[in-house]
Amino acid sequence: GAVVSQHPSWVICKSGTSVKIECRSLDFQATTMFWYRQFPKQSLMLMATSNEGSKATYEQGVEKDKFLINHASLTLSTLTVTSAHPEDSSFYICSAKTSGFTDTQYFGPGTRLTVL
Amino acid sequence: QQPVQSPQAVILREGEDAVINCSSSKALYSVHWYRQKHGEAPVFLMILLKGGEQKGHEKISASFNEKKQQSSLYLTASQLSYSGTYFCGTEGPSWGKLQFGAGTQVVVTP
Repeated sequence: GAVVSQHPSWVICKSGTSVKIECRSLDFQATTMFWYRQFPKQSLMLMATSNEGSKATYEQGVEKDKFLINHASLTLSTLTVTSAHPEDSSFYICSAKTSGFTDTQYFGPGTRLTVL
Repeated sequence: QQPVQSPQAVILREGEDAVINCSSSKALYSVHWYRQKHGEAPVFLMILLKGGEQKGHEKISASFNEKKQQSSLYLTASQLSYSGTYFCGTEGPSWGKLQFGAGTQVVVTP
């Protein structure tokens, strides 16, 4: 149980285009999903917290107009990187948890974004 | 604020033991441990809640000292499969989200 999927696994796009990444909880309902960014050999940096049916809460320094997050259902959250630039290239990972305060966060397999 | 993990890296021979520490300057409600292999997502190992919990799974165990705001992960009789980067994630009393440490790279050699 507790499987989280991400799609796509990797994407290469041209500078200036927008990219959408999907995060799905396959066998549980996720009231909260998190989006992280990870650079090579670095830690997981939380970008935003997404609650079903409400606006995402962004961490300090994360541009909400650039990283659009939608949590339309209890099993799906999407991250759209708008007008992507090479510096947006990174490993994006989502996680999902149920409604309990200390419930485990289960991570998706991640999406490798490369912007040319 | 990001918790501090130590050491940054450790190299072990199969069968040896290691300890990874995670400390925070803020009051903690829980500590979560994950292991990540190269190019993959983090895999959940265990959660420790305030109250001085200790937990274990096979030969990996952990403790949480809420007074000292620190947790330790113990790798006992390490196996090759233990190789990876270990992250602690800390959760405060009112945060609802995790702050991750910089990670500890563990390499287990035959």
